[in-house]
Amino acid sequence: GAGVSQSPSNKVTEKGKDVELRCDPISGHTALYWYRQRLGQGLEFLIYFQGNSAPDKSGLPSDRFSAERTGESVSTLTIQRTQQEDSAVYLCASSLTGNLAGGSSYEQYFGPGTRLTVT
Amino acid sequence: AQKVTQAQTEISVVEKEDVTLDCVYETRDTTYYLFWYKQPPSGELVFLIRRNSFDEQNEISGRYSWNFQKSTSSFNFTITASQVVDSAVYFCALSGSFSGSARQLTFGSGTQLTVLP
Repeated sequence: GAGVSQSPSNKVTEKGKDVELRCDPISGHTALYWYRQRLGQGLEFLIYFQGNSAPDKSGLPSDRFSAERTGESVSTLTIQRTQQEDSAVYLCASSLTGNLAGGSSYEQYFGPGTRLTVT
Repeated sequence: AQKVTQAQTEISVVEKEDVTLDCVYETRDTTYYLFWYKQPPSGELVFLIRRNSFDEQNEISGRYSWNFQKSTSSFNFTITASQVVDSAVYFCALSGSFSGSARQLTFGSGTQLTVLP
């Protein structure tokens, strides 16, 4: 079946502009995650959605970052007033459940990412 | 707080050599999961394995094997008879059981493996 998809694949924007990144999770996956990967580094957690529960925003680096998800479908990550340090690959992942007791359904499957460059 | 350390930044081997990628983790959770992901040059993360904290059995899948040792908080990954297609960045990751930590993965900084022909 279809995997996680993200758009756009690449985005170049000027400092100070707002950007919106989109993630389409695997159908039926209730949990959705956003991560950021700076060049040559590991992934940093940003935000987590589980069904209709309140999202876990503990990883968002500043109030310029926000994300929305409608039900168990598409999610958008918005970065306002972009800064050069926001340049990174933004990865989205989904899993059947975000519940650790979910066992094998807990694996996170990643999309190809959006490469954001702020000039 | 959780932490994953991959001390090897880059490893280079010649094809057919065996190679072990180290992963050391820190967590106060008693229940947790450990993962390995592969990130080839294309950039997409590929899930390789998940291991829960109650299962210390080593696992082998083809040329891949994993050694989980709770006593040393390590979850090392060995590729036997490496191939050029194994060239990628490999990430070790951890998720815990406490609220807030259960959901997201804490990643190591990755090990760049280059397999030379």
